[in-house]
Amino acid sequence: DSGVTQTPKHLITATGQRVTLRCSPRSGDLSVYWYQQSLDQGLQFLIQYYNGEERAKGNILERFSAQQFPDLHSELNLSSLELGDSALYFCASSLLGGSLLGSGNTIYFGEGSWLTVV
Amino acid sequence: AQRVTQPEKLLSVFKGAPVELKCNYSYSGSPELFWYVQYSRQRLQLLLRHISRESIKGFTADLNKGETSFHLKKPFAQEEDSAMYYCALSGGAGSYQLTFGKGTKLSVIP
Repeated sequence: DSGVTQTPKHLITATGQRVTLRCSPRSGDLSVYWYQQSLDQGLQFLIQYYNGEERAKGNILERFSAQQFPDLHSELNLSSLELGDSALYFCASSLLGGSLLGSGNTIYFGEGSWLTVV
Repeated sequence: AQRVTQPEKLLSVFKGAPVELKCNYSYSGSPELFWYVQYSRQRLQLLLRHISRESIKGFTADLNKGETSFHLKKPFAQEEDSAMYYCALSGGAGSYQLTFGKGTKLSVIP
């Protein structure tokens, strides 16, 4: 158990709908990352938050948004869903938000949320 | 731009045979390299990182800056090693996320 908790584990929804995925980081971790894992694109970094503020943005669509709350949990909002958004969405957390070099800052992953858009 | 290439989508080896999972990277600075393992679409687990120079579950990986490679090796494969393996890169100071390769599925044949 990595200590990163994600809900829901599975979600089936229709095209055009909106869903929210929730993530609780490991106790004490300030940084939260969201990744999308699909069969064709592999693991894609979406976005990172550090202590409530957006720190880095990756290949995140405009239909998607995220935030990190004062208690450090994070939510990923996916709207106007399309069939191609079906994927496994991972949340990860780490203590720090900056350089990983030599700091022992390890990124721990949650079990993911399976999203199926029908 | 940083990029990680894992040339093999699938690697099948017999139990007891040596394993080498290839990883090449592209980055202009001094990267930090990792190997993550994923069993049956479960969470990704950190297997090892190059700065630790450790051996986990019999796996080792050496960073070769000249060849920009970070190949994962194990002398004797076991059935429980069957999984997806992802090589990942963090670009150092100012870079906050991991860039993953496409992954290699290791299948150990009994």
